[in-house]
Amino acid sequence: KQEVTQIPAALSVPEGENLVLNCSFTDSAIYNLQWFRQDPGKGLTSLLLIQSSQREQTSGRLNASLDKSSGRSTLYIAASQPGDSATYLCAPREVTGGGNKLTFGTGTQLKVEL
Amino acid sequence: NAGVMQNPRHLVRRRGQEARLRCSPMKGHSHVYWYRQLPEEGLKFMVYLQKENIIDESGMPKERFSAEFPKEGPSILRIQQVVRGDSAAYFCASSPPSGGATETQYFGPGTRLLVL
Repeated sequence: KQEVTQIPAALSVPEGENLVLNCSFTDSAIYNLQWFRQDPGKGLTSLLLIQSSQREQTSGRLNASLDKSSGRSTLYIAASQPGDSATYLCAPREVTGGGNKLTFGTGTQLKVEL
Repeated sequence: NAGVMQNPRHLVRRRGQEARLRCSPMKGHSHVYWYRQLPEEGLKFMVYLQKENIIDESGMPKERFSAEFPKEGPSILRIQQVVRGDSAAYFCASSPPSGGATETQYFGPGTRLLVL
């Protein structure tokens, strides 16, 4: 059974800092891994998808890396802004059981202060 | 291209009533997923459907919960005889039929169910 852990659970940083969010998962048999952000009371916005054959993906100030064999992914946010404040979720997509289920961590709650 | 649509956005039910949650996938998407987010917990997979078929229901509670995705119309998550523990945010996601490692799931805004 896939288990996903995200560290830290909460993070508060001043504007402009570069930061790293960590995600670990127990079952390395995955198709891909998605990073999402969730704003309070809202749905999920997909930020990046990194395929199991890839090592990293970039979109603007975001960079996600994946080390499938060790069950780890990191999300790097450069030059953080107050608008980045949200909960960040990682979700690997498993190969087993029909191959379309995402398993979510409990997230990292990020606050970027002025 | 409109995103995944869910309605209602908020739903209040008394214990014992039925709740019906609707999800319209993005245009061109034939795969639908339902996830539940209990208060202070992470999102948990419930069910994966394609048109007229349930593919994986390993996350569905054994009783009172059912899901369908008919040939025409939205996907429906139905909860019979609701209890307070059903209070949660229910999210629907959809993806295109391409499958594979590049397949992205797109999420709707969720339905927040409150059982009194």
